[in-house]
Amino acid sequence: DAKTTQPTSMDCAEGRAANLPCNHSTISGNEYVYWYRQIHSQGPQYIIHGLKNNETNEMASLIITEDRKSSTLILPHATLRDTAVYYCIVRNGSSNTGKLIFGQGTTLQVKP
Amino acid sequence: GAVVSQHPSWVICKSGTSVKIECRSLDFQATTMFWYRQFPKQSLMLMATSNEGSKATYEQGVEKDKFLINHASLTLSTLTVTSAHPEDSSFYICSAKDWGLDYTDTQYFGPGTRLTVL
Repeated sequence: DAKTTQPTSMDCAEGRAANLPCNHSTISGNEYVYWYRQIHSQGPQYIIHGLKNNETNEMASLIITEDRKSSTLILPHATLRDTAVYYCIVRNGSSNTGKLIFGQGTTLQVKP
Repeated sequence: GAVVSQHPSWVICKSGTSVKIECRSLDFQATTMFWYRQFPKQSLMLMATSNEGSKATYEQGVEKDKFLINHASLTLSTLTVTSAHPEDSSFYICSAKDWGLDYTDTQYFGPGTRLTVL
């Protein structure tokens, strides 16, 4: 599975959009981009995933570049409860192992 | 939907004792469950993959005789930490994969179990 690179930390003002980047330059054609977040002392929470089209759900939007080498997770109106570590994971959607390998993620601090 | 529970949420035990942690998928059947461990200020580390009705597959460096995994039903997997020592103190998290939701392998995580070994 392709490796990902994320900034270590980011700040965002409450009510503003939080844009979290992820580089995955070695992604292959059948690999999906997954985003999870982990609020302190809790299990990770699934946010969104995509293959090549942009995706939106009730939590966030996922923008994947045309060459698929990078993506951005967008939280449209960040709240204090969005403070968490955000993980971008790339993996083969048809893999039988189903393993998710977590990197260090981006610590997002939403400030009042 | 896609709720995963863990029990207990925290446990304190004496060194040398064994501790069992349960992971349940509440509203879906999970043929595959995963166990992770997380030390303070670190990321999640995959320990093992648990498939219903078969032996677990352990990641390199994880002692299978120390971390016993049983996945006897489609909704329950257990992790037993045998002869626990203080260095086993950690946050243990399980996840379950619901193939029924979509054809990709989105995993849903439990809330975690904080183990402290004295």
